[in-house]
Amino acid sequence: NAGVTQTPKFQVLKTGQSMTLQCAQDMNHEYMSWYRQDPGMGLRLIHYSVGAGITDQGEVPNGYNVSRSTTEDFPLRLLSAAPSQTSVYFCASSYSEDSPLHFGNGTRLTVT
Amino acid sequence: KQEVTQIPAALSVPEGENLVLNCSFTDSAIYNLQWFRQDPGKGLTSLLLIQSSQREQTSGRLNASLDKSSGRSTLYIAASQPGDSATYLCAVKNSGTYKYIFGTGTRLKVLA
Repeated sequence: NAGVTQTPKFQVLKTGQSMTLQCAQDMNHEYMSWYRQDPGMGLRLIHYSVGAGITDQGEVPNGYNVSRSTTEDFPLRLLSAAPSQTSVYFCASSYSEDSPLHFGNGTRLTVT
Repeated sequence: KQEVTQIPAALSVPEGENLVLNCSFTDSAIYNLQWFRQDPGKGLTSLLLIQSSQREQTSGRLNASLDKSSGRSTLYIAASQPGDSATYLCAVKNSGTYKYIFGTGTRLKVLA
């Protein structure tokens, strides 16, 4: 099993550009989520999903969209990139709310 | 509002030492707590998950304890090795929510 796969690993955007961060898992996990990690602030939840077709906002959802059309995939869309969105983005999944979180290796995004 | 604190932010110890990492949280109504390890440039790896009804969990040289009433968890690492060098994070999930609140981590260096 590959686990949680995130692409791309690195990305540089100009202010105002849009892009999609990809996340896929092959563990048949129902729960998937997106976090951003910033120095000194810990990981913060952006959006999450408890199953295909179901998404909800986390702590810092502004500027991001998600959808969950399949169990495996949970893409994160940046609508109009801003320098404040420079961060490392992690996708995570779990079998249930009682199960450990499995993380991808992250996407390092820089917005200039 | 749940807040998670990890002190110290960084720790250096000689190889072979037993050590304790601390995690404190402000709201005792937690559902579970997880300890993670993060290597530089990598995602997080779940080490131990403690449900709110449990007092401790063990995996190999690692032991995590939970005291909800005092809002504290500790991660005990026995006979530390250079390969244990990493950042250790704790995360708390409250009852009735999917959201995990992360601490900012303790950066551990084990010296050979």
